[in-house]
Amino acid sequence: NAGVTQTPKFQVLKTGQSMTLQCAQDMNHNSMYWYRQDPGMGLRLIYYSASEGTTDKGEVPNGYNVSRLNKREFSLRLESAAPSQTSVYFCASGIHHFGNGTRLTVT
Amino acid sequence: DQQVKQNSPSLSVQEGRISILNCDYTNSMFDYFLWYKKYPAEGPTFLISISSIKDKNEDGRFTVFLNKSAKHLSLHIVPSQPGDSAVYFCAAVYNFNKFYFGSGTKLNVKP
Repeated sequence: NAGVTQTPKFQVLKTGQSMTLQCAQDMNHNSMYWYRQDPGMGLRLIYYSASEGTTDKGEVPNGYNVSRLNKREFSLRLESAAPSQTSVYFCASGIHHFGNGTRLTVT
Repeated sequence: DQQVKQNSPSLSVQEGRISILNCDYTNSMFDYFLWYKKYPAEGPTFLISISSIKDKNEDGRFTVFLNKSAKHLSLHIVPSQPGDSAVYFCAAVYNFNKFYFGSGTKLNVKP
């Protein structure tokens, strides 16, 4: 979707590996969000950043860390990936704009 | 425990007719509600929203109704078009940033 760029699009990890999902927006929004979507479920909020320099936990933060590097970028880090973190991850900028997702598989 | 529920996983409607998608919530702290549309392999697309101080909001073919006493909102699409076929999610918000999504309803609009 225009304005929100997520990388990578796909990733396969082994249990215990770490990785960082990147998200960047060019709409000058203060708030940014990370969600995960599992089959048959809606999106669940992992972490959000209401403004540059602030981050807060959402509904399912365990196993994740985030960094709001600047106003444009909000990254999500998995320090030690687990199979339960296999999911599609979406970043959002403001409340209206989503990226196209990162499909992560942990084996 | 799910705070936002969409109890119909799927809905099939004839082109030109009305589509009604429903959503129920449990938390009375929610003060803003949104509907999104999602195609496969894409992120959700914002459709329409409503504040808890209103009971109706309209935007073209899309109308959202909010019944706070029943903790229920619905999305009406009139007339439905084949391009409306997608998964629709409702979301509820409190404290500006605490978002909760329903599990989605897959709408199929038949030509």
